[in-house]
Amino acid sequence: DGGITQSPKYLFRKEGQNVTLSCEQNLNHDAMYWYRQDPGQGLRLIYYSQIVNDFQKGDIAEGYSVSREKKESFPLTVTSAQKNPTAFYLCASSMPGLQVNSPLHFGNGTRLTVT
Amino acid sequence: GEDVEQSLFLSVREGDSSVINCTYTDSSSTYLYWYKQEPGAGLQLLTYIFSNMDMKQDQRLTVLLNKKDKHLSLRIADTQTGDSAIYFCAENPSNTGKLIFGQGTTLQVKP
Repeated sequence: DGGITQSPKYLFRKEGQNVTLSCEQNLNHDAMYWYRQDPGQGLRLIYYSQIVNDFQKGDIAEGYSVSREKKESFPLTVTSAQKNPTAFYLCASSMPGLQVNSPLHFGNGTRLTVT
Repeated sequence: GEDVEQSLFLSVREGDSSVINCTYTDSSSTYLYWYKQEPGAGLQLLTYIFSNMDMKQDQRLTVLLNKKDKHLSLRIADTQTGDSAIYFCAENPSNTGKLIFGQGTTLQVKP
């Protein structure tokens, strides 16, 4: 079955440590995205990548980094510079460009807790 | 600027209709979307509407679009307890693929 896999589902870290969240897709989608979700604030875009080896900052990129070395994979690193890292992180993919209707397909999320 | 607004909470009785409203700002969005999020899960695409349509019906779901007022609504007929979730509307400004989401409306269905 095609889909997006995020791992782990729950992640706990101490303050000051970097942590990497995994996102893998087998939908053959060109574009991948990372969103952060906080209660009552909806989804905010952290980073996105429209093609391999290229990515752009979203609205809240400070304290985060990404890489896109393979089409299938778009890991997100939450660095110690991120002031409020505790949140629910959602990865998504889409196939823009070829068609105007390009909805996002989401993984099941990773809940990160930093203490 | 780009902004999508939704009310935060709606409570209905099982069997009633639910109407979730959304306003958006970018008139260049060719498609507008409704997503559903169950607790602890990702977002699932529920339905979408093409911007030159006024209405789209899909089983118990009806989407209404007022393009002049930039107002989108999702009606769920015969609401069930399994419909309890957070519902997000989203626009796709300039069809870039970078969806802009509303804050989400939590739908509570009482038996």
